Amino acid sequence: GAGVSQSPSNKVTEKGKDVELRCDPISGHTALYWYRQRLGQGLEFLIYFQGNSAPDKSGLPSDRFSAERTGESVSTLTIQRTQQEDSAVYLCASSLWGISNQPQHFGDGTRLSIL
Amino acid sequence: QQQVKQSPQSLIVQKGGIPIINCAYENTAFDYFPWYQQFPGKGPALLIAIRPDVSEKKEGRFTISFNKSAKQFSLHIMDSQPGDSATYFCAASKMGGGADGLTFGKGTHLIIQP
Repeated sequence: GAGVSQSPSNKVTEKGKDVELRCDPISGHTALYWYRQRLGQGLEFLIYFQGNSAPDKSGLPSDRFSAERTGESVSTLTIQRTQQEDSAVYLCASSLWGISNQPQHFGDGTRLSIL
Repeated sequence: QQQVKQSPQSLIVQKGGIPIINCAYENTAFDYFPWYQQFPGKGPALLIAIRPDVSEKKEGRFTISFNKSAKQFSLHIMDSQPGDSATYFCAASKMGGGADGLTFGKGTHLIIQP
C-alpha cells in the first residue's frame, strides 16, 4: 500500500518568502507528526496531530511556523518570512493511533533550501 | 538538553562483523524505544523497537539490548553486510501518548566494508 507522501521533495526559495509543505499520511492513520532534520543531525519534533487537532504547538520553532490538518488526511506546514536557519529536511510521519508504542512511518521529506 | 545520547557518531566495520550502537536516556517517563535506519535522501524506516519490560529483542539480524537500571539500550547487527551501510537513529517516547513525538539521538553513520 501507499506510504506517507510528501511534496514537494525539494524546495529552493529566497529569504523572506513563505513556503507551504504538504504531507499525505497513510490512509486510516489518525496520528500525524512533523519533524525537522538539520544537516547531519537527528530529528527534532515539531508538532503532533490527533485527527485534525494539535493539542500542543510549543514545539514549533517560532511564530513564523504554523501547521494544519484536514480531518484525518492531508497536513500542511507553513513557514512565513523564511530565514536561512530554516534550511533543513522537513519530515512527516503517521501512525495508526497517537500512543507511544504505535510505529511512526515516515515520508521521504521535503528538502528546503533558503537562499 | 539532549535527552537521548547516542554513540558512536560514526562506525566502520568489516563485512560479517557486529556493529554495536549505544544510546542512553535520562527521562524515566520514556517507555518505548525504537531504532530507525535512514538511507541518503530517504526518510527513516523503523527497524526494531523495545519496551522497558524486556531486556532483549531480536528481529532477524537486528537485536536490541535494554538495561532499565542503567537507562541504556543498544543495537547489535549480526553478520553485517555492505547493504546495512546507513545512518541509524535511536529514539524514545513517553508513556501514555504520542503528543510529545519521538525524541531522537543524533545518529550513527555506519559503514560496512566489503
